Amino acid sequence: KAGVTQTPRYLIKTRGQQVTLSCSPISGHRSVSWYQQTPGQGLQFLFEYFSETQRNKGNFPGRFSGRQFSNSRSEMNVSTLELGDSALYLCASSPRGGNQPQHFGDGTRLSIL
Amino acid sequence: AQSVAQPEDQVNVAEGNPLTVKCTYSVSGNPYLFWYVQYPNRGLQFLLKYITGDNLVKGSYGFEAEFNKSQTSFHLKKPSALVSDSALYFCAVIPRSTGFQKLVFGTGTRLLVSP
Repeated sequence: KAGVTQTPRYLIKTRGQQVTLSCSPISGHRSVSWYQQTPGQGLQFLFEYFSETQRNKGNFPGRFSGRQFSNSRSEMNVSTLELGDSALYLCASSPRGGNQPQHFGDGTRLSIL
Repeated sequence: AQSVAQPEDQVNVAEGNPLTVKCTYSVSGNPYLFWYVQYPNRGLQFLLKYITGDNLVKGSYGFEAEFNKSQTSFHLKKPSALVSDSALYFCAVIPRSTGFQKLVFGTGTRLLVSP
């Protein structure tokens, strides 16, 4: 069974631009979560989607948004990029959420110039 | 506020020796507890979880963890370390109250196993 696939793996943007990251969960998984990983703040939860609905949201500004499609694939969007948005963005999936272990992709490394 | 503490930034151990990576948590109620491992330029890999039941949980690659409710700890252990165990280890919790997949992570502990 294929794992969680995130595209692209690397991305370079400049301040003020916007970016869209993509995540394909493991087949059959309906819960998709996003996390931001930085050296300073560590791993922080962004949001979780289940059956195309956002179920939970972390403490990030409204510039960070996401969505989930009917095939469970998910995208996250960051608008008006700031230098501090440089990070590794990780997507994770699980069959139904709750206390089930999450399976992580290898992430998208976003660098803001 | 919910939090997870990993008091050691780095743990050094010789190959073949037992290892322990410490984790304590501050969460109301009884949370779900997890350990994940991250290798360079990779995402996180699930090692083990504690939901309920036996306080000693066995996981992948020979790792185990001991849940101690009175000390609010969930230390990761392995009887005999391998050089290939060298990686970044994260303890995480999901408060039962949320019911969702909002993992709260510790800051991570780098494990270095020397030959």
